[in-house]
Amino acid sequence: KAGVTQTPRYLIKTRGQQVTLSCSPISGHRSVSWYQQTPGQGLQFLFEYFSETQRNKGNFPGRFSGRQFSNSRSEMNVSTLELGDSALYLCASSAAGRTGARTEAFFGQGTRLTVV
Amino acid sequence: DAKTTQPPSMDCAEGRAANLPCNHSTISGNEYVYWYRQIHSQGPQYIIHGLKNNETNEMASLIITEDRKSSTLILPHATLRDTAVYYCIVRVDNWAGTALIFGKGTTLSVSS
Repeated sequence: KAGVTQTPRYLIKTRGQQVTLSCSPISGHRSVSWYQQTPGQGLQFLFEYFSETQRNKGNFPGRFSGRQFSNSRSEMNVSTLELGDSALYLCASSAAGRTGARTEAFFGQGTRLTVV
Repeated sequence: DAKTTQPPSMDCAEGRAANLPCNHSTISGNEYVYWYRQIHSQGPQYIIHGLKNNETNEMASLIITEDRKSSTLILPHATLRDTAVYYCIVRVDNWAGTALIFGKGTTLSVSS
């Protein structure tokens, strides 16, 4: 069974640009979340999608947005990039919501974004 | 979700048991205790979770006190590959999905 796949693995962008990151969850998983990890702030929850609907949102500015498609694949977008957006962005998926399913989250390897 | 408190760092000798404590004194009756770990620069990895009974799987054991205000993750025979940051998370199960609130965790260093 394939794990959570994130693309691209590494990305360099210029301040002011926008970026889109992609996440393919484990087959059958409908819950997908995004996290930002920086040395200073640690792992911070961005938002969660379930069946194409945003269910939970962390405390991030509106420049950070996401969406989920009918096949559960998800994208997150960051507009008007700032130097402080440089981070490891992680995606997680879970079978939560399926009766009797295990609910732990499985994480991808992340996308390392560098803003210069 | 209830807050958790973990020591910032711990050391363990290879082959010995690593016991990682977690305090969650405000836990509610329907909240589970989850443990994840993150090896350097990789995505976090699920280890184990439980509600009130002790749990064991191929990776670790989870001991939850009777009042559920604290728990201990036990790695029975730590290896160098167990060096990682360990996170204790409390949350409502099932419909909570993948929305996890991570604290700073415990950095476990296993040495030979």
